[in-house]
Amino acid sequence: EVQLVESGGGVVQPGGSLRLSCAASGFTFSIYWMQWVRQTPGKGLVWVSRSNSDGSRISYADPVKGRFTISRDNVKNTLYLEMNSLRAEDTAVYYCARESFYSLDVWGQGTTVIVSS
Amino acid sequence: QSALTQPPSASGSPGQSVTISCTGTSSDVGGYDHVSWYQQHPGKAPKLMIYEVNKRPSGVPDRFSGSKSGNTASLTVSGLQAEDEADYYCSSYAGNSWVFGGGTKLTVL
Repeated sequence: EVQLVESGGGVVQPGGSLRLSCAASGFTFSIYWMQWVRQTPGKGLVWVSRSNSDGSRISYADPVKGRFTISRDNVKNTLYLEMNSLRAEDTAVYYCARESFYSLDVWGQGTTVIVSS
Repeated sequence: QSALTQPPSASGSPGQSVTISCTGTSSDVGGYDHVSWYQQHPGKAPKLMIYEVNKRPSGVPDRFSGSKSGNTASLTVSGLQAEDEADYYCSSYAGNSWVFGGGTKLTVL
């Protein structure tokens, strides 16, 4: 079964850091581009970051540029999102998703990040 | 990276058709045929319904169709069913970035 499972969310103080993980299974992770998308409670989806298959081509949304880092381990079949200098507005459910034909065809269940003092 | 514009709500009776619009710019929707649509039920992850403007992934009913004209893309749901009630989001590639719409809550009356 094709599956993505996120972990690493939690409650963190403003200015703090978290690392999210996304474990992939059921498909050849190393050939797919991957993305992180977040969703604020009750609000819409917002694109966060994208990595090509080997991690050499990366892009970020402006609100997270310089604070978040996407990476991947194609041996462990895992995608990461290192989040630093967290702000209240980063509070959201974070989804990892597999990219195919410029769309997101497989999504994880999401992991919740709450930035609060 | 401004969000695409979607109507906040749409509705229709069972069996009817409803169309949801998604308006962007020439830098996103109008510039690429990389528009996709996602369905999200409460508490669930989004599900891909349409990709590359008008293509359906395997398993998505043919009641769902997509189109694009200029800077506006559209999702049409024909023969509405109760299980179609959900939030729908459009998305477009925007040249090394992505942009989503604000979402449309579809109510089946």
